[in-house]
Amino acid sequence: KQEVTQIPAALSVPEGENLVLNCSFTDSAIYNLQWFRQDPGKGLTSLLLIQSSQREQTSGRLNASLDKSSGRSTLYIAASQPGDSATYLCAVRSNDYKLSFGAGTTVTVRA
Amino acid sequence: ETGVTQSPTHLIKTRGQQVTLRCSSQSGHNTVSWYQQALGQGPQFIFQYYREEENGRGNFPPRFSGLQFPNYSSELNVNALELDDSALYLCASSLQGRGGNYGYTFGSGTRLTVV
Repeated sequence: KQEVTQIPAALSVPEGENLVLNCSFTDSAIYNLQWFRQDPGKGLTSLLLIQSSQREQTSGRLNASLDKSSGRSTLYIAASQPGDSATYLCAVRSNDYKLSFGAGTTVTVRA
Repeated sequence: ETGVTQSPTHLIKTRGQQVTLRCSSQSGHNTVSWYQQALGQGPQFIFQYYREEENGRGNFPPRFSGLQFPNYSSELNVNALELDDSALYLCASSLQGRGGNYGYTFGSGTRLTVV
């Protein structure tokens, strides 16, 4: 059974600092890993999708790395802004197609 | 292209009642999944439909059932509602098969409250 853990559970930083969010998973037999953003009471917005054969993906200020052999992914957000305040969820797609989620990291960026 | 749309956005039901939630998949997607998200937790997989057949199910009782229609839209039905069924229900669609490993697109969710 795939277990996904996200550390830290919450993070508060001043505007302009870089954010580092960690995700670990127990079973390295994955198809891909996806990072999502969730605003309070809302649905999930996909940020980055990393295929199992890739090491990283970048989109604007966001960069995500994947080390499948060690079961880890890291999401970096450069030069954080108050609008980046949200919960960030890591989801792993296993060979049976379902997504296994972590509990998320709640980020607060202080102006 | 249109995204994933869910209806209704909010719903209040009484314990013991039945509820139907609806989802329209993103255009071009052939797979739909449903997730339950309790407050403060990550989404939990309920089940997935591919070409109108259920092809995966999480640890949810049989009173959680679903359908996928030929146009790839979907319904989630929950019978005999319990207080613990109160949660945000998320629908996600994806494109499976054809040699690709695609990501999932999620809807905005339906907030179900059971009283």
